[in-house]
Amino acid sequence: GAVVSQHPSWVICKSGTSVKIECRSLDFQATTMFWYRQFPKQSLMLMATSNEGSKATYEQGVEKDKFLINHASLTLSTLTVTSAHPEDSSFYICSANEPSRTGQPQHFGDGTRLSIL
Amino acid sequence: AQTVTQSQPEMSVQEAETVTLSCTYDTSESDYYLFWYKQPPSRQMILVIRQEAYKQQNATENRFSVNFQKAAKSFSLKISDSQLGDAAMYFCAYRSNSNYQLIWGAGTKLIIKP
Repeated sequence: GAVVSQHPSWVICKSGTSVKIECRSLDFQATTMFWYRQFPKQSLMLMATSNEGSKATYEQGVEKDKFLINHASLTLSTLTVTSAHPEDSSFYICSANEPSRTGQPQHFGDGTRLSIL
Repeated sequence: AQTVTQSQPEMSVQEAETVTLSCTYDTSESDYYLFWYKQPPSRQMILVIRQEAYKQQNATENRFSVNFQKAAKSFSLKISDSQLGDAAMYFCAYRSNSNYQLIWGAGTKLIIKP
């Protein structure tokens, strides 16, 4: 079945550094990808919708300059957390629509646990 | 705007018994999809079952089935013969046909008692 690969699965870094998370669709082309943030024991919170070849659409309250999204190809979207601080520590999940299948199912990556020291 | 409500923060069930998780939603659209996702402690999002709104027949996947009441905007998940591996967070989600963004419920933590 369709697979979305998200990398890295876990990253620990110092405050002030930038961290890039990759989301790849392995066997289908994804024109639309989504980035979520999940706090412990809470639901998924949509951060932004990433469209191939165009600017991402950010949800209200999400800082565009803090969370940079690039969707340069039909199989890859990246989320860069710039100048990360401890409050950015969270679980980040990406998903991708499979447009060629009926109903355009959405497939999820396994998530990235980000810890900022 | 669409909303999804899961009113049960936590449910528990004895192994091998049946449990039903509730979900209601609000929308003015007629064409949409509803989903149940499972998130085990590994935090992977696993699709459990999907229902197209235009289908009157309730979706079924092995031990998992839904009770879809379109007029009442209700979409409950029934898990039969509960197994220890069913323990997880369960999220109900809505998606319209005009926008592929998922609208999520708050989730229900399912505990399986051995």
